Amino acid sequence: DGGITQSPKYLFRKEGQNVTLSCEQNLNHDAMYWYRQDPGQGLRLIYYSQIVNDFQKGDIAEGYSVSREKKESFPLTVTSAQKNPTAFYLCASSLRGGLGTDTQYFGPGTRLTVL
Amino acid sequence: RKEVEQDPGPFNVPEGATVAFNCTYSNSASQSFFWYRQDCRKEPKLLMSVYSSGNEDGRFTAQLNRASQYISLLIRDSKLSDSATYLCAVKAPPPAGGFKTIFGAGTRLFVKA
Repeated sequence: DGGITQSPKYLFRKEGQNVTLSCEQNLNHDAMYWYRQDPGQGLRLIYYSQIVNDFQKGDIAEGYSVSREKKESFPLTVTSAQKNPTAFYLCASSLRGGLGTDTQYFGPGTRLTVL
Repeated sequence: RKEVEQDPGPFNVPEGATVAFNCTYSNSASQSFFWYRQDCRKEPKLLMSVYSSGNEDGRFTAQLNRASQYISLLIRDSKLSDSATYLCAVKAPPPAGGFKTIFGAGTRLFVKA
């Protein structure tokens, strides 16, 4: 069953804690992305990776970190430096990333709440 | 001006109605355009890709107007199940090269019986 999985679905964090959100894909896609969505707003790009062992900052990378040690996995760590982390986090992947016709597909998301 | 703008709505329409959404984009070098559907508290799902002047899939038609820099989504014979938020996405080359996908904030649609 091919697709993108994210875990956990819901995550609660105390202020000052780091948390890691998981994203795995078995679509053999080269590129992976992390977005954040706040109520009534569009998706904002946090980080993206076009190949293994390489990743780039998006528009709102401050307070976040990522790694891309395997093609299938792109975990996102929300650090204590992120001032307003409560949001819906979406992971996406696409076949090549750099092509103009490349299409992104999304995982089911993780809803993070800071208590 | 935002890179991608959508009318947030909500659009409230009766079943069977035809409804159209517009999405404007600021970068004239944009290459590819997409419409996603997002249900409440779910992930966006690809509805249609638009690479040339337009695309049709059943009751859904997407059109691209490069001169005026907008894409539209037309839904005919609306169903209750069409109620969702529709996100527009535009792929444009950033200054550093490569292609970045910019998402609009979405247009909410409510279809009522």
